[in-house]
Amino acid sequence: AQSVSQHNHHVILSEAASLELGCNYSYGGTVNLFWYVQYPGQHLQLLLKYFSGDPLVKGIKGFEAEFIKSKFSFNLRKPSVQWSDTAEYFCAVRRDDKIIFGKGTRLHILP
Amino acid sequence: GAVVSQHPSRVICKSGTSVKIECRSLDFQATTMFWYRQFPKKSLMLMATSNEGSKATYEQGVEKDKFLINHASLTLSTLTVTSAHPEDSSFYICSATPPGRYQPQHFGDGTRLSIL
Repeated sequence: AQSVSQHNHHVILSEAASLELGCNYSYGGTVNLFWYVQYPGQHLQLLLKYFSGDPLVKGIKGFEAEFIKSKFSFNLRKPSVQWSDTAEYFCAVRRDDKIIFGKGTRLHILP
Repeated sequence: GAVVSQHPSRVICKSGTSVKIECRSLDFQATTMFWYRQFPKKSLMLMATSNEGSKATYEQGVEKDKFLINHASLTLSTLTVTSAHPEDSSFYICSATPPGRYQPQHFGDGTRLSIL
């Protein structure tokens, strides 16, 4: 079945640590890729998106993601996390106008 | 920027009541809107695609008669949870994509539905 997989369900890091959250998808063909963030008690916000072009995408708040087509991956990275990055992160894939989300990764940053 | 407004943000009602949730695109027209459901500690699940002027397209396992969707105009889609029961308690989120080639979906703030 076509799916979006986020490998880490819960990640705990100290401030200033580097972050990488994995995302793999199983769709063939052309896809659009997204990372969304949901801060506690807030709605979903777009972190970054990939449609075409440079596979290394820069987003807001210092986040970036790299699309590796051969690996069907779109991992999210941040060199140095902050306490305010504590949130839930969702990878999403759009194909044929439908968006399918991964199960989310809950990130907890220790001050 | 593109804004999607969802109302109400929270509903608490008795079992057997029908509840209507509105989703509006405030500054763009959306021929298609999407309804998601988010279970606690789980991901967003696409429930249905709302199509302006035609029937909604439901995902497998979603009851059409339970979750009625109406997309009467290019800026408004409604989701009605009919005869709601406690198991329908959840967080419902709508989204829409502004026109243009490289537009992501924009999400409403969500509606937390609690059925007593």
